Amino acid sequence: EVVMTQSPAILSVSPGERATLSCRASQSVSSNLAWYQHKPGQAPRLLISGASTRATAFPARFSGSGSGTEFTLTISSLQSEDFAVYYCQQYNNWPRTFGQGTKVEIK
Amino acid sequence: EVQLVESGGGLVQPGGSLRLSCAASGFSFSNYTMNWVRQAPGKGLEYVSTIGSNGGTIYYADSVKGRFTISRDNSKNTLYLQMSSLRAEDTAVYYCVKGRWELPAWGQGTLVTVSS
Repeated sequence: EVVMTQSPAILSVSPGERATLSCRASQSVSSNLAWYQHKPGQAPRLLISGASTRATAFPARFSGSGSGTEFTLTISSLQSEDFAVYYCQQYNNWPRTFGQGTKVEIK
Repeated sequence: EVQLVESGGGLVQPGGSLRLSCAASGFSFSNYTMNWVRQAPGKGLEYVSTIGSNGGTIYYADSVKGRFTISRDNSKNTLYLQMSSLRAEDTAVYYCVKGRWELPAWGQGTLVTVSS
């Protein structure tokens, strides 16, 4: 199966600062990569699909990039509501696989 | 509005069985691939299983293969997960999720606790 590795595990950021999250695949997944935002007690929400297409519910400060094996999620200016856990997921191969998550916390 | 409502979770002893259900509404259920994804306490998201729109295509994570069975009843707009030979490591919130590629819609989850 395709192993997804996210880094860092925890990212401490001050409000207004930029956050950069990484996701690496053990083999190429082309652009078949999604990002999800997950807050405690809530269902995960699809944030990015196709590596770079942002879901309409999310503001433009969220952006995704990459292809093949290296992917990045960038939050340009963190707001209080952005503190959450973010997961990447590949959908190029079966079984689908998730990264272990990056927790974005308040510094 | 898409709604996915899971039920059937609870406390079960190791080695026991449980069936989860997911009632879907707000979309044409029979046209969509459906999935189960779980999250163990303090852990990340883990893919469990997928079933195609007509039930003809099924995938499982290695961790549940041979123990869990996914199925669906398109006449009832309902997804199921039959879990048997349950282990402590199966303790998790189980989410019902719509989608074949990216996963755009998730239920709120149902908690399964495997403990004696």
